[in-house]
Amino acid sequence: DAGVIQSPRHEVTEMGQEVTLRCKPISGHDYLFWYRQTMMRGLELLIYFNNNVPIDDSGMPEDRFSAKMPNASFSTLKIQPSEPRDSAVYFCASSPAWSGANVLTFGAGSRLTVL
Amino acid sequence: QQQVKQSPQSLIVQKGGISIINCAYENTAFDYFPWYQQFPGKGPALLIAIRPDVSEKKEGRFTISFNKSAKQFSLHIMDSQPGDSATYFCAAPNSNSGYALNFGKGTSLLVTP
Repeated sequence: DAGVIQSPRHEVTEMGQEVTLRCKPISGHDYLFWYRQTMMRGLELLIYFNNNVPIDDSGMPEDRFSAKMPNASFSTLKIQPSEPRDSAVYFCASSPAWSGANVLTFGAGSRLTVL
Repeated sequence: QQQVKQSPQSLIVQKGGISIINCAYENTAFDYFPWYQQFPGKGPALLIAIRPDVSEKKEGRFTISFNKSAKQFSLHIMDSQPGDSATYFCAAPNSNSGYALNFGKGTSLLVTP
């Protein structure tokens, strides 16, 4: 398996623009997580899905953030409009059901810079 | 959201020395305590994990020690090597959502030659 695949790896955009981050989880994994990493706040859970259904989105900072999982092999995290404070590395991770969603495999991350 | 507190923030150890990173948690209902390792430009990767029914788990040079009464667990890296230089995160299940992991803020480890 190729692991968790994220795209783009780097994104530079201007304030106000829409940003879409993409994730392909490991085949057969039932859980998908979106985390955001910054120096100040560390790794923050934004949202997670179980079998494509959003379970907990309490970490999504504002209505500007939205996430979807239309099928078991694809998820998106969208920021609209983007702001400089959204600059961070966004990680997608997936986990198999047998682990109780505790064993996470992370992607390489998408580094977002909002100017 | 922060339910695990990690220390120190950074650590410098000489090659061959022992690296020790500590983590304190709040919720006594937690039943899984992993450590993740992250190299620059990469995502975190599971290093080692422990459940509270044991006090210690060892995998090669890496050991988790668990103190249930103190609500603490620690990572020990024996015979530290320059290749161990990375950021280490402890984690515990999110008591609010039931499944998702909350991570500590990380410890940046530098092992000098």
